This record gives sequence, structure tokens and C-alpha cells, in this order.
Amino acid sequence: ETGVTQTPRHLVMGMTNKKSLKCEQHLGHNAMYWYKQSAKKPLELMFVYSLEERVENNSVPSRFSPECPNSSHLFLHLHTLQPEDSALYLCASSQLLAGGKETQYFGPGTRLLVL
Amino acid sequence: ILNVEQSPQSLHVQEGDSTNFTCSFPSSNFYALHWYRWETAKSPEALFVMTLNGDEKKKGRISATLNTKEGYSYLYIKGSQPEDSATYLCASTQGGSEKLVFGKGMKLTVNP
Repeated sequence: ETGVTQTPRHLVMGMTNKKSLKCEQHLGHNAMYWYKQSAKKPLELMFVYSLEERVENNSVPSRFSPECPNSSHLFLHLHTLQPEDSALYLCASSQLLAGGKETQYFGPGTRLLVL
Repeated sequence: ILNVEQSPQSLHVQEGDSTNFTCSFPSSNFYALHWYRWETAKSPEALFVMTLNGDEKKKGRISATLNTKEGYSYLYIKGSQPEDSATYLCASTQGGSEKLVFGKGMKLTVNP
């Protein structure tokens, strides 16, 4: 157990659905991240929140909408997704000190299938 | 654009074999190199973070080295066991950014 949980673990949704992915960290960290892993591609950073403020948005389409209500919780709201958005979505957290050296702790991911 | 490459992409070995794999990254503005181990259906697990040229880290039978001048890191597993079967990821950061840029990973399968 890494101290980062994600729900649901699996999600199937239609292109017109709205759903949300949830991440919770129990490590007291001050930064949280969303990553996407598509087949045969590297893990790709989507969003970074530091002290509950979004500091990075890696040119992600607006059909993905993150929310960080407090330092322990992170959501990814999904709306009108496309089949090519099917992927594994991973959440991570870290304690930011001197950015870049800190270990990021990952959740197990949500496997998303868009039909 | 920061590009992190890993080789080989997959490796099948017999129990007891030693293995090594390579991660290459741009050496300019390098800040840190991270190694992760990712078993199927589990969370990626941090192995090492290295920052200094010549760094060597060890955790049980797994060790890693870092060459920041030429932009590569090696990960070694001595006497591989079936439980070492996993995907091994490396990721680099630049210039104090918290943004991890990952390679595609190296999938290791250790046959009993």
C-alpha cells in the first residue's frame, strides 16, 4: 500500500456520460498529480496541484476537468469523452520541498473504457 | 522537449540470471532521476531517486547507477527471482521542476 487510493478501479462509460474519478492520499503531502497511460505510451502528466492550486495543465482537453478541494483529495471530472481517452488514469502525491527530487507516491489507477 | 528512453523494452530471463537495463535522458539542465517498479494491477513503487553524477544506490538485489554527464542510468538486478517480474520505469526531472517525464518502461519476466 502506497497511501494513495483511487476509486473506482474500473470504469466503463459512454461518450455522453459524465463521471468522476476520485483520489485520496493519506500521507500528509502538499502536491497531487493526475497521469494518463495509454497503450504503448509512457506515463503522461496531465495536471499538478500544489497547495490546492493548479500549477500545471499539460494541454489537456477541457473534457477533463480536475478539482482539488483540499490537500488530501483530488478529482478528475470526465465529460463527453472520446474512445481514444480510454486509458489507465493514475493519481500521485508528493511533499514538495525542492521540486524534482521528491518521490511521488502513486495510486493503483482507474482503468477507463469509453464506448 | 525532455525525452526519456529505456532499453530494452522487454526482457525474459531465467530465475537466477542477472539483468541490467538502461535509461537515457537529456543531460542538460538535469535535476533528478527516479526509478519505479510497477507490478501488474498494483501501484508503481518508488525504488530510487538519484541526483549526483556517480551516484550508486542499492536495495536488496537491485542497484542503480547514474551518469549525469552522458545522460544515462543503469538498473541491475542480481540473481533475478520470479517476484522481480514487473515493469521498471525511469523518469527524469529538469531544473527544479516537479514534473516527472517517464520512459515507456521495461517489462521484465523472470521464469522459474
